[in-house]
Amino acid sequence: SQQGEEDPQALSIQEGENATMNCSYKTSINNLQWYRQNSGRGLVHLILIRSNEREKHSGRLRVTLDTSKKSSSLLITASRAADTASYFCAGRGGYQKVTFGTGTKLQVIP
Amino acid sequence: EAGVAQSPRYKIIEKRQSVAFWCNPISGHATLYWYQQILGQGPKLLIQFQNNGVVDDSQLPKDRFSAERLKGVDSTLKIQPAKLEDSAVYLCASRLRSFRGDGTYEQYFGPGTRLTVT
Repeated sequence: SQQGEEDPQALSIQEGENATMNCSYKTSINNLQWYRQNSGRGLVHLILIRSNEREKHSGRLRVTLDTSKKSSSLLITASRAADTASYFCAGRGGYQKVTFGTGTKLQVIP
Repeated sequence: EAGVAQSPRYKIIEKRQSVAFWCNPISGHATLYWYQQILGQGPKLLIQFQNNGVVDDSQLPKDRFSAERLKGVDSTLKIQPAKLEDSAVYLCASRLRSFRGDGTYEQYFGPGTRLTVT
């Protein structure tokens, strides 16, 4: 079963705009990770946020985590055409098991 | 640094046939994962190895799927016999830290094997 549910399922924006994706998960996690997947580079780890952290930044990425609501968001600022991909959240629970969500498909239009 | 290698990249078989996938993780990575990703869905963990021992295979359909990691390095995933619903991309990933670590090390994914069962 999928741990997380991403919202929206698909998102289309213009280059330069910001993109926000949300993830809700079901069970307790030790940390939550975001991955990007495109046909060119496969599945790539973007950023990890621990359960005791509320916000984390990495370049144009900003991740928030609300453990009380079991939700996370990924913000990509100043989007580029190269950001076009599917984005997955993945929660790490007991025994280091990682469970992926269903993904948000982002299209950035040049 | 070489990444996770998988072969073959593509495979087409008929239902009820057998198929095997191979994965070579990044050197030194103790943890190895096999995922199944059906089109339009996120990856689903099939099995997790720590060195050559199985940590989690709760979602592996054991009546038809098997996996091994002899000597704690390469791994093979086998399906016998295949069904139409096994059509998916099979991803292998590896991770540096042992599962008793603090879990901060990311997983590195291979390019995957796209299986089509007709």
